Amino acid sequence: KQEVTQIPAALSVPEGENLVLNCSFTDSAIYNLQWFRQDPGKGLTSLLLIQSSQREQTSGRLNASLDKSSGRSTLYIAASQPGDSATYLCAVGRGSTLGRLYFGRGTQLTVWP
Amino acid sequence: GAGVSQTPSNKVTEKGKYVELRCDPISGHTALYWYRQSLGQGPEFLIYFQGTGAADDSGLPNDRFFAVRPEGSVSTLKIQRTERGDSAVYLCASRGNRESELFFGEGSRLTVL
Repeated sequence: KQEVTQIPAALSVPEGENLVLNCSFTDSAIYNLQWFRQDPGKGLTSLLLIQSSQREQTSGRLNASLDKSSGRSTLYIAASQPGDSATYLCAVGRGSTLGRLYFGRGTQLTVWP
Repeated sequence: GAGVSQTPSNKVTEKGKYVELRCDPISGHTALYWYRQSLGQGPEFLIYFQGTGAADDSGLPNDRFFAVRPEGSVSTLKIQRTERGDSAVYLCASRGNRESELFFGEGSRLTVL
């Protein structure tokens, strides 16, 4: 069974800092990896999707990397802002076909002004 | 529609009652997923539909849970004889045929008293 772990569980930083959120998974035979953002009481918003053949994806101030062989991904947030405060979830799709995603518990991020 | 729509957004019921949760995916999306999220946890997979058929229902916890998607669009998650442990946010997601990015709804919060 695929296990996904996210570290740290919570993070509180002042505005302007560059951040790294970590995600690790036990089975390296993944189809893709997706990072989501979840605001309190809301659904999940997709941030970045990395296919298994890719090493990284970038969108604005966000950059996600993937190292399949070591079972790790990092989400880098540059110049953090209070509006970035949310829970960030990592999810991996296992195997060679699209199907279920396995989620971590998330990193709860607070960026204070 | 513009996004994944879930109804009701909130449902409070008594133990032992029957509950239906509805999901209206993004128009044209062939794949539909149900997840369950408890407080402080990542989403947990329940079932995945490709078209009208359940491609993977291995996440359904027991036979009190059932889901249908009769016309390959709207899906209904049905829970019989609800228990307090069923209290959670039930999330629906959909994906297009050629895409691997998942789009989530806002969820249905179920509280079983």
